[in-house]
Amino acid sequence: AQSVTQLDSQVPVFEEAPVELRCNYSSSVSVYLFWYVQYPNQGLQLLLKYLSGSTLVKGINGFEAEFNKSQTSFHLRKPSVHISDTAEYFCAVSDLRAGNNRKLIWGLGTSLAVNP
Amino acid sequence: DARVTQTPRHKVTEMGQEVTMRCQPILGHNTVFWYRQTMMQGLELLAYFRNRAPLDDSGMPKDRFSAEMPDATLATLKIQPSEPRDSAVYFCASSGAADTQYFGPGTRLTVL
Repeated sequence: AQSVTQLDSQVPVFEEAPVELRCNYSSSVSVYLFWYVQYPNQGLQLLLKYLSGSTLVKGINGFEAEFNKSQTSFHLRKPSVHISDTAEYFCAVSDLRAGNNRKLIWGLGTSLAVNP
Repeated sequence: DARVTQTPRHKVTEMGQEVTMRCQPILGHNTVFWYRQTMMQGLELLAYFRNRAPLDDSGMPKDRFSAEMPDATLATLKIQPSEPRDSAVYFCASSGAADTQYFGPGTRLTVL
């Protein structure tokens, strides 16, 4: 069964520094990949997604992620973070082999704390 | 700007009471998900529906939880009787094409 691992539960970083949040999944065969962000006391919001095509995906708020099929990874990056990026970030995978009843498989989340 | 709406946003109730949470999915989305989020367990999928038919509710405690879609514009999650361990934030999400899920703001439930 498909699984998702977010390698860091917490990532502290200083403002204006670059950041990478890591995500690995168990099988690269026919997947859709997603990153969501959850700000305090809010619902999850789609940050970006990979469905097909270019392996470098750009999302909102200056974030981007790269699909690496051989590494089964979908790491999220931002070259310069702001205080307002402090949030919980979730990686999710949809395994297309599961057919019409498929659902998103979620990682446990990475808490990004941006310090001044 | 189409959004998923959830009511109520906050609910405080006493143990043993019935709780009903409602969700209006984005118009045209055919799949609706119910999640529960706690600090200890993280994000858990409780149940989901496609074209109003339940596909999987294996994440729900069967004896006290029930989920329904009376029509395409309304999904409900009921807890009866409620217990303190049910305290959590409950999210509804809806999906149309390409499996992208759009989340509502959540219902924060506190059971005393």
